[in-house]
Amino acid sequence: QQQVKQSPQSLIVQKGGISIINCAYENTAFDYFPWYQQFPGKGPALLIAIRPDVSEKKEGRFTISFNKSAKQFSLHIMDSQPGDSATYFCAASIDRGSTLGRLYFGRGTQLTVWP
Amino acid sequence: DTAVSQTPKYLVTQMGNDKSIKCEQNLGHDTMYWYKQDSKKFLKIMFSYNNKELIINETVPNRFSPKSPDKAHLNLHINSLELGDSAVYFCASSQESWGPYNEQFFGPGTRLTVL
Repeated sequence: QQQVKQSPQSLIVQKGGISIINCAYENTAFDYFPWYQQFPGKGPALLIAIRPDVSEKKEGRFTISFNKSAKQFSLHIMDSQPGDSATYFCAASIDRGSTLGRLYFGRGTQLTVWP
Repeated sequence: DTAVSQTPKYLVTQMGNDKSIKCEQNLGHDTMYWYKQDSKKFLKIMFSYNNKELIINETVPNRFSPKSPDKAHLNLHINSLELGDSAVYFCASSQESWGPYNEQFFGPGTRLTVL
């Protein structure tokens, strides 16, 4: 059972455009929502993360929007660049109890930014 | 300096063989993980160790056995390799297994091909 559902599976954006990737979850116990970025041939790396006490977090061109009532969160990449072309994974975890911070990953979104 | 390293980077072997993948982290982290990434890029956790103790053991075949000789190393041994074991295996580490320091640092991956 997929704990975190991610869409779209692939995304093509023109340089300078906005890339938007969406994720949804069911488990209301989740309280940490990171996004990981993976370039071809490399391991994933943390890009940005949010906790449910805020509705938005921005770091440079990357913004997470979080809607607790809808159990959805999304990654927005402003002014998308060819160097942003990568696979993006959303994830969720519970920072307490027996699950011990285990990350539940979405299935990933392959982003291609055309120059 | 490499934070999380894995050897080998590529592993090609015949069905039925036994192989090991080694992982080392020099970040001083307490928790280490093994993930399997399939051909569709889905990341699935296999094991997690905290201070050499097994804390997550997903439903993986008994042919997979992790070994943690010390806090900085987590090796993965696979017996009787099958075609379906072909994937990229990632090692990761984090300062803690939960809480705000759960950012996971991934290694470069080991691409295993079973013929």
